[in-house]
Amino acid sequence: GDSVTQMEGPVTLSEEAFLTINCTYTATGYPSLFWYVQYPGEGLQLLLKATKADDKGSNKGFEATYRKETTSFHLEKGSVQVSDSAVYFCALTEGTGGGADGLTFGKGTHLIIQP
Amino acid sequence: DTAVSQTPKYLVTQMGNDKSIKCEQNLGHDTMYWYKQDSKKFLKIMFSYNNKELIINETVPNRFSPKSPDKAHLNLHINSLELGDSAVYFCASSQVANTEAFFGQGTRLTVV
Repeated sequence: GDSVTQMEGPVTLSEEAFLTINCTYTATGYPSLFWYVQYPGEGLQLLLKATKADDKGSNKGFEATYRKETTSFHLEKGSVQVSDSAVYFCALTEGTGGGADGLTFGKGTHLIIQP
Repeated sequence: DTAVSQTPKYLVTQMGNDKSIKCEQNLGHDTMYWYKQDSKKFLKIMFSYNNKELIINETVPNRFSPKSPDKAHLNLHINSLELGDSAVYFCASSQVANTEAFFGQGTRLTVV
């Protein structure tokens, strides 16, 4: 079945540091890929997405590129802020078979940004 | 306006009780979902509901049952609650099945 693997946390960085959170996936078809963010005590918010190979999703200074050859979708940000502290989830959906299989999530990466 | 809303936000109940969590979406989406987030933050889909078609994750106990009175609502009923059911439950919806989903704020269920 489908699976998503992302780096274990917590990841602790200083403000203005460069961020990379690795994500790789296993899927039988051609999935759409997503990054979601969960702030403390809140639900999940879609951060960015990419629906086909070589697409780059971007939002709020975050970027991720759909790399089919390496089955990866790494999240990057050039200069993180304290307000970026949250749990980040990589996810995919296959969109095949006609059924609503929903999203398959990675285990989440807890990001802590120190002032 | 809240896109996906679920109530209650917190639910504390005793083992053996039956409880329900309500979910409503005002986005006009065709598909709704329930996800469970465990204490380690791991998210797993429980159900998806699309055009009266229900897809059930095979690992979900049959004590859990979704009920959809209309396209905008997907409520979650849980019978005979167990300690292991303690988790955060998220409702979500998407315009088309298997596209990005929009999530509610979650319901933290604690079974004592």
